Amino acid sequence: QVQLQQWGAGLVKPSETLSLTCAVYGGSFTAYSWHWIRQSPGRGLEWIGQINHSGSTRYSPSLQNRVTISIDTSRSQFSLTLTSVTAADTAVYFCARESGGWTRFDYWGQGTQIAVSS
Amino acid sequence: DVQLTQSPSSLSASVGDRVTITCRASQSISRYLNWYQLKPGNAPKLLIYAASNLQTGVPSRFSGSGSGTDFTLTISNLQREDLATYYCQQSYRTPYFFGLGTKVEI
Repeated sequence: QVQLQQWGAGLVKPSETLSLTCAVYGGSFTAYSWHWIRQSPGRGLEWIGQINHSGSTRYSPSLQNRVTISIDTSRSQFSLTLTSVTAADTAVYFCARESGGWTRFDYWGQGTQIAVSS
Repeated sequence: DVQLTQSPSSLSASVGDRVTITCRASQSISRYLNWYQLKPGNAPKLLIYAASNLQTGVPSRFSGSGSGTDFTLTISNLQREDLATYYCQQSYRTPYFFGLGTKVEI
């Protein structure tokens, strides 16, 4: 059974850096690509970016100047950092596994509520 | 970018009803369209991938159709546990945009 467990600080001050980590349990870690997605009331679901086992990344153009996704295959973990956060980055952040050739997200983390506030 | 227009934004239906949600892409995306169910406090759940393929474990009352630019998610025989918000997602190219969601109320 595949499980994604994520964690990170839930409160971040404006202009500071958001950091989240997602650990994968079960299944193959290196056979898939891994994604970060967020959900906010005003903007619905928003794709942030992805990484594969070799560390190749793709980011949303709207966030690419502030986002970094990294991977630690030895621990089956991947991480998200988002710099210079503002209130607009307040959202629930999810990690997810991409499965198959249709880029579908079949397993998700439990979600982390991130609030940006001083 | 491939944008998605989802409609309606919300709907109210009764148990046993047939519900249809549509998703229109800003350009042809073949069958690169997935559907998710999102309940408050939960992670999204994949329902349909590649426009019409039912994800393992998803009840057969959920079905999807379409190709090109126009897609449909149908819930036949609506159940109370289907109260949720439903999102389409294009997987044709990055950035992988989602629709704005359809809230289904019972």
